[in-house]
Amino acid sequence: SSELTQDPAVSVALGQTVRITCQGDSLRKYFANWYQQKPGQAPILVIFNRNDRPSGIPDRFSGSTSGTTTSLIITGAQATDEADYYCSFRDTSAGHVVFGGGTKVTVL
Amino acid sequence: EVHLLESGGGLVQPGGSLRLSCTGAGFTFSSNSMSWVRQAPGKGLEWVSSITGSGDKKYYADSVMGRFTISRDNPKNTMYLQMNSLRVEDTAVYYCAREINFFDYWGQGSLVTVSS
Repeated sequence: SSELTQDPAVSVALGQTVRITCQGDSLRKYFANWYQQKPGQAPILVIFNRNDRPSGIPDRFSGSTSGTTTSLIITGAQATDEADYYCSFRDTSAGHVVFGGGTKVTVL
Repeated sequence: EVHLLESGGGLVQPGGSLRLSCTGAGFTFSSNSMSWVRQAPGKGLEWVSSITGSGDKKYYADSVMGRFTISRDNPKNTMYLQMNSLRVEDTAVYYCAREINFFDYWGQGSLVTVSS
């Protein structure tokens, strides 16, 4: 299956750690990427190739993968991290890109 | 600095056509695959189509196959999405993005509304 499943919403207390999960059989084979999207804005890349961070992304964002589950971890969540987060991968054999349904993160 | 700018969105009736453009700057346009990703109102991200740097390979989501055509004009640093036989469910913000197996730069989006 090429589907990716995410929890619709999670919340985290300010300064605490939150793990956002994404599950899919294809994650055994393909690297996952994570995007952050704030209301009214275009998405931005926060993690690529499972656990690499683009320049300019704070090091409180990290990624990990175990089996068919990949996770985006925010260590010491800030109010500015409140956003929707999407996991994704490119199925290089079919040429398609798959997105998860997105997780809304609320910082309390 | 990499910059992507979409244009061409607007209101169109069901069954109509529209062409979106995406102009890139700040990078070697012809060396990069490019993609379109859309987002219906209040919904998540949906990949639409991708094209390799030379334009020799094109990929489409099943939901748009046979109705949408992706193309590019490298000397103009521009990518296009020709959308035909538009449906109400194609209503969305359409983003263009640079791709290296992930989308590292995104435009600000162009709204397409399909309604009678």
